[in-house]
Amino acid sequence: GDSVTQMEGPVTLSEEAFLTINCTYTATGYPSLFWYVQYPGEGLQLLLKATKADDKGSNKGFEATYRKETTSFHLEKGSVQVSDSAVYFCALSDRPGRGGSYIPTFGRGTSLIVHP
Amino acid sequence: ETGVTQTPRHLVMGMTNKKSLKCEQHLGHNAMYWYKQSAKKPLELMFVYSLEERVENNSVPSRFSPECPNSSHLFLHLHTLQPEDSALYLCASSSRGGGMDTQYFGPGTRLTVL
Repeated sequence: GDSVTQMEGPVTLSEEAFLTINCTYTATGYPSLFWYVQYPGEGLQLLLKATKADDKGSNKGFEATYRKETTSFHLEKGSVQVSDSAVYFCALSDRPGRGGSYIPTFGRGTSLIVHP
Repeated sequence: ETGVTQTPRHLVMGMTNKKSLKCEQHLGHNAMYWYKQSAKKPLELMFVYSLEERVENNSVPSRFSPECPNSSHLFLHLHTLQPEDSALYLCASSSRGGGMDTQYFGPGTRLTVL
């Protein structure tokens, strides 16, 4: 079955440091790949996505490139801010399941803590 | 209201109580999901509804009973819960088919079972 593996956290950085959160996946088809972010006290929200190989998703200074050859979708940001402190989830969505709904597969989440 | 809303935001209940969680989406989506998020555990998909038909039930105990009366509303009825059911319950919606597979989440209901 499908699976997503993320690096374990927490990741602790100083403000303006470079961020990488690793994500690798296993899927039978050609999935769409996602990064979701969960700020304290909130639900998850889409940060960025990529739907095919070599696509780069980007948003709010974050970016990730769909690498089919290494089955990876690593999240990067050049200069983190305190406000980026949150939990980041890598996810994939392979194909419609029964009824046409998409059944996503999520990683375990990586907590990011950014200090001033 | 916009997006996905959930009520109540916080709920404390005893093991013998019966309560319901409500989710409403204002996005015109036709698939809705319940997730359970516990500390130190992966996000758990509980139920999926597509066009008001339940299409996924991930071995969830019968003390959790979902209901989807229309494509905009989703409920989770709770009865005789256990303390280990304390968690954040998240609702999400998406559009069925056509590559529109992004999940839109509500803020969650923080449930505490005493």
